[in-house]
Amino acid sequence: DTAVSQTPKYLVTQMGNDKSIKCEQNLGHDTMYWYKQDSKKFLKIMFSYNNKELIINETVPNRFSPKSPDKAHLNLHINSLELGDSAVYFCASSQDFQTGPSDTQYFGPGTRLTVL
Amino acid sequence: AQSVTQLGSHVSVSEGALVLLRCNYSSSVPPYLFWYVQYPNQGLQLLLKYTSAATLVKGINGFEAEFKKSETSFHLTKPSAHMSDAAEYFCAVSDLGFQKLVFGTGTRLLVSP
Repeated sequence: DTAVSQTPKYLVTQMGNDKSIKCEQNLGHDTMYWYKQDSKKFLKIMFSYNNKELIINETVPNRFSPKSPDKAHLNLHINSLELGDSAVYFCASSQDFQTGPSDTQYFGPGTRLTVL
Repeated sequence: AQSVTQLGSHVSVSEGALVLLRCNYSSSVPPYLFWYVQYPNQGLQLLLKYTSAATLVKGINGFEAEFKKSETSFHLTKPSAHMSDAAEYFCAVSDLGFQKLVFGTGTRLLVSP
């Protein structure tokens, strides 16, 4: 069974559209994350949720809105897509925010978003 | 704020040769350090992590890393490269306040026959 899964794997869309990426983890973890990997492979955190509550919100445009319906799911909705949003988006999860900074994060396979 | 620097965006080795990927960290307190590997078109997989229990950390696939406080380094090594080691390698430090990973810029390892 896949520990952290994302759908879709590839997403091609036009500028101005709204799209969502879904993430699910079956590890029983309490904390989930969204990372963005740009064309130069640089990875940067966007959001973090712990048990459905937002705990990290980096300087991400308001067009990006994460939603966590339960602690096993963290979806990412993007409004009014721009060319610069083209990237690979990774979901990750870890045991518990309270466990501390040594906790391992488990990553999903990524969603490659291409905005035309 | 914690940060890591990876020297060399690309490292090329021959199969069977020593692999050395460099990572230096910046942190005012003892850091938690990680090495992740990303194979083409895949997600990130943890190779190993340093959590202050031991300075020499052994990971999966024959990789290991040594934490050297005096050099603020956490270099990744493997005695003998295999073709299957070709991938992107990321060093990361965990932000102590919020348990977020701060990644280096990555090093692509190329292995030639």
